[in-house]
Amino acid sequence: QVQLVQSGAEVKKPGASVKISCKASGYTFTSYYMHWVRQAPGQGLEWMGIINPNGDYTTYAQKFQGRFILTRDTSTSTVYMDLSSLTFDDSAVYYCASLDPRHYYFDWWGQGTLVTVSS
Amino acid sequence: QSALTQPASVSGSPGQSITISCTGTSSDVGMYNYVSWYQQHPGKAPKLIIFDVSNRPSGISSRFSGSKSGNTASLTISGLQAEDETDYFCTSYRLGSTPYVFGSGTRVTVL
Repeated sequence: QVQLVQSGAEVKKPGASVKISCKASGYTFTSYYMHWVRQAPGQGLEWMGIINPNGDYTTYAQKFQGRFILTRDTSTSTVYMDLSSLTFDDSAVYYCASLDPRHYYFDWWGQGTLVTVSS
Repeated sequence: QSALTQPASVSGSPGQSITISCTGTSSDVGMYNYVSWYQQHPGKAPKLIIFDVSNRPSGISSRFSGSKSGNTASLTISGLQAEDETDYFCTSYRLGSTPYVFGSGTRVTVL
């Protein structure tokens, strides 16, 4: 059974950083890209970035450039996202989603992690 | 504001068919046959139900079907059941620096 299990909810102050993990199981971790997507309250989903199977290639949406970093640890089948300089607008549910590079759809998703930015 | 436009809600009676639209542009839905649909129950991970416009993954009911015309893709649920009452969103691959765009989501209500 394929699972993407994300770390728990976070509450952060403006200006702080948040790191969320996404642990995969049930499939060949190194064969899939991992995307990150977020959904702010009352808003649609927004693509944030991608990391390749080897972890040596990443690309990020322009609006997150400079404060968003993806890394992966193949020994634990875990991908991490790090978002810094948080503002109130970063309050959202963050999802990881795996994608076979031969395809153009997200095979599996994590359950989501709620990040609340509050003073 | 989402890149792909979906109706906020669609409703139907058990046994009926409903259709959810997903309208994009000539740079995404209109250009590629890479539209996918996901079902999401509250607090749960989204689940793939249609890929590449009209294909169903293994294990997905044949009551779910997809199509596309021009810049608009559609998801049809036939023989509506109580278990279908939840949220659905579409995604499309697109030309540009942001490779995927998403729909705003549609809440399906079974009357």
